[in-house]
Amino acid sequence: NAGVTQTPKFRVLKTGQSMTLLCAQDMNHEYMYWYRQDPGMGLRLIHYSVGEGTTAKGEVPDGYNVSRLKKQNFLLGLESAAPSQTSVYFCASRRGTSGPYEQYFGPGTRLTVT
Amino acid sequence: AQSVTQLGSHVSVSEGALVLLRCNYSSSVPPYLFWYVQYPNQGLQLLLKYTSAATLVKGINGFEAEFKKSETSFHLTKPSAHMSDAAEYFCAVSVDTGRRALTFGSGTRLQVQP
Repeated sequence: NAGVTQTPKFRVLKTGQSMTLLCAQDMNHEYMYWYRQDPGMGLRLIHYSVGEGTTAKGEVPDGYNVSRLKKQNFLLGLESAAPSQTSVYFCASRRGTSGPYEQYFGPGTRLTVT
Repeated sequence: AQSVTQLGSHVSVSEGALVLLRCNYSSSVPPYLFWYVQYPNQGLQLLLKYTSAATLVKGINGFEAEFKKSETSFHLTKPSAHMSDAAEYFCAVSVDTGRRALTFGSGTRLQVQP
């Protein structure tokens, strides 16, 4: 099993450009999440999905959109990148059933916006 | 809403010394608590989790944590530090309703001196 994979691993964008980050999981998990990690701030939740075809906003959703057309994939889009979106982005997934199930994280995407 | 406070953004210990990383949480409902470790340029890996089954939780790599409800704490310890323990450590809390997302502390970077 590959677990959670993310593409690309690195990306440099100019202000105003757009891009899509892809997350894929092979564990048949219902719940998927996008976080961003910034120095001294831990990880903050951008958007999440509790099942195929559903998405919802987290704590820092502005400037991002998401889609979950297939259960195994969760896409994060930046329509018009800004320097404030320079960050490391992590995707995670977990089982959908009630209980203390941990989240499994991908390796991250390091994005720089100039 | 939940929150996590990690005291000390940087902790330095000598090889063989006790490791103590502090975590305090806030939650209006019974929480699940997690410690994750992040090695440089990698994703997050679960160290251990508190699920209410036992207050003293043992994890991987010799780490353990004790849940103290009266102190709202979940501190991480290891009796004897190893050079390979140098990494960033995150405490996180979740509850078993709704989005079941993790709320992270700001992280503690552990340095191990030879």
